[in-house]
Amino acid sequence: QQQVKQSPQSLIVQKGGIPIINCAYENTAFDYFPWYQQFPGKGPALLIAIRPDVSEKKEGRFTISFNKSAKQFSLHIMDSQPGDSATYFCAASIPRGSNYKLTFGKGTLLTVNP
Amino acid sequence: GAVVSQHPSWVICKSGTSVKIECRSLDFQATTMFWYRQFPKQSLMLMATSNEGSKATYEQGVEKDKFLINHASLTLSTLTVTSAHPEDSSFYICSARNRYSNQPQHFGDGTRLSIL
Repeated sequence: QQQVKQSPQSLIVQKGGIPIINCAYENTAFDYFPWYQQFPGKGPALLIAIRPDVSEKKEGRFTISFNKSAKQFSLHIMDSQPGDSATYFCAASIPRGSNYKLTFGKGTLLTVNP
Repeated sequence: GAVVSQHPSWVICKSGTSVKIECRSLDFQATTMFWYRQFPKQSLMLMATSNEGSKATYEQGVEKDKFLINHASLTLSTLTVTSAHPEDSSFYICSARNRYSNQPQHFGDGTRLSIL
């Protein structure tokens, strides 16, 4: 059973476009929702994260929108650049007793064309 | 801060040999470390969770005798792939939990394991 569903699987945009990646979760015990960026041959790096008590968080060109009632959250990348081409993973975490285990989505391969 | 170092970054070895991968937290103490496996174009799959000084907790379907995990200190965990075969070839990633960080896990840069 996949607990975090991510879409689309791949996405191609032009430079300056605003790619949007969506995730949906099922477990209401999740209380931390990070997005990771992974380049080929590297480990994932935290991009931005949100907790369910806020509906939106913005850091630079990256914004998370969170809809608690719908159990969905999304990543928006403003003014996308070719250097943003990477695989993006959403994740969700349950605190404390679970050792903060992360449940990952399947990933979205983003290509930003110049 | 919160740097996690993995070594080696790439290893090629013959079928039947055992391979050890190290994961170190360089500037913090990691009471919990995680080991993941990632196949090409797929997501990270959690293999096991290790707490310092105790036995690792393996995810369902992961062979504990095949993938030996040791977390003997607060800054070092090791994953040993025993009697490796070509199907064990994959990208192995560790992460570490810093109890004083607001991030649940900090990731290493992975180890590319190729078994010939």
